Amino acid sequence: GQNIDQPTEMTATEGAIVQINCTYQTSGFNGLFWYQQHAGEAPTFLSYNVLDGLEEKGRFSSFLSRSKGYSYLLLKELQMKDSASYLCAPGSGNTPLVFGKGTRLSVIA
Amino acid sequence: NAGVTQTPKFRVLKTGQSMTLLCAQDMNHEYMYWYRQDPGMGLRLIHYSVGEGTTAKGEVPDGYNVSRLKKQNFLLGLESAAPSQTSVYFCASSLRGVRQPQHFGDGTRLSIL
Repeated sequence: GQNIDQPTEMTATEGAIVQINCTYQTSGFNGLFWYQQHAGEAPTFLSYNVLDGLEEKGRFSSFLSRSKGYSYLLLKELQMKDSASYLCAPGSGNTPLVFGKGTRLSVIA
Repeated sequence: NAGVTQTPKFRVLKTGQSMTLLCAQDMNHEYMYWYRQDPGMGLRLIHYSVGEGTTAKGEVPDGYNVSRLKKQNFLLGLESAAPSQTSVYFCASSLRGVRQPQHFGDGTRLSIL
């Protein structure tokens, strides 16, 4: 099985930087996904990390440390529209993804 | 390009009734998935399919059946609905491989009284 841990809720100020952490325990790990889900909407793909290190994509960056079972999503220059849930999903072997319960981020003025 | 389309968007059922949720994708994706999402529980996989004519169980398959008779369609059936199946159901599809990004439909909000 898999064990995925991410904070339930976070609050940050518009224009600031926020880091959403995800720790996982999974056998046969082979990559980690981050998805964004606005309230009442479908999840959408944000990033996929296979190798250790930081991958930057505009205001969003995702980091992976395979040896530590740890990933984070970094959001810069926060905007109100970034208020959403962020789902961490580590991959294991050839089995379908298991999603974490998500971190609900609220961006305040 | 519609992507992933789920039908219906909302439905209210009585306990014991049956219904089928339809998922259609126009991206020629091989893999398709059905999830349910409940408050505090995250997305949980019900069933999935790696190609036309194939299905497999996910994390929470009990009380549901699926069929993939055509590549573009993935049907989720509830034979005898129970209040515990009240949830938001999401369908997703992807290219071949479980490490491909999934594209989600807008969801079906199902209430069972």
